[in-house]
Amino acid sequence: KAGVTQTPRYLIKTRGQQVTLSCSPISGHRSVSWYQQTPGQGLQFLFEYFSETQRNKGNFPGRFSGRQFSNSRSEMNVSTLELGDSALYLCASSLNRGNTEAFFGQGTRLTVV
Amino acid sequence: GENVEQHPSTLSVQEGDSAVIKCTYSDSASNYFPWYKQELGKGPQLIIDIRSNVGEKKDQRIAVTLNKTAKHFSLHITETQPEDSAVYFCAASGGNTPLVFGKGTRLSVIA
Repeated sequence: KAGVTQTPRYLIKTRGQQVTLSCSPISGHRSVSWYQQTPGQGLQFLFEYFSETQRNKGNFPGRFSGRQFSNSRSEMNVSTLELGDSALYLCASSLNRGNTEAFFGQGTRLTVV
Repeated sequence: GENVEQHPSTLSVQEGDSAVIKCTYSDSASNYFPWYKQELGKGPQLIIDIRSNVGEKKDQRIAVTLNKTAKHFSLHITETQPEDSAVYFCAASGGNTPLVFGKGTRLSVIA
């Protein structure tokens, strides 16, 4: 069974640009959550999608958005990039909502210059 | 909201010794507590989890204990090996709330 696939693995963008990251969950998993990981702040929750609907949202500005498609694949978008958006963006896949095991992808390393 | 504190931030042990990482949480409604291992260049890997109706769970050299009254849970790794060297994260959640993570513990196993 394939794991969680995130693309691309690495991205370098310039301040002010926008970026779209993709996540394909484990087959059959319907819940996708996104996290931002930085050395100073650790793993911070961005949002959760289930059945194409955003179910939870973390404390991030509106420049961060996401969506989920009918096949459970998810994308997140960051507009008007800032230097502080440089981070590892991780996607986690779960079978359902609630207290079920969450499996992470390898992440997308975003560098904003 | 939930807040998870994790200690220590770094831990060095000799190969073969045991390692213990401790976490406390603030929300008494939390009832699911997973532990993740993250190696360099990789995403976090789920290694063990425990739910609030269980006090202890073991999987080979790894064990997790939960004290709901005191709101703390711990990861125990016995007979440590160099390949156990990584960053370990605890997390907590309740119901449909997202996982809240501790800041991580960098474990170094010295051969």
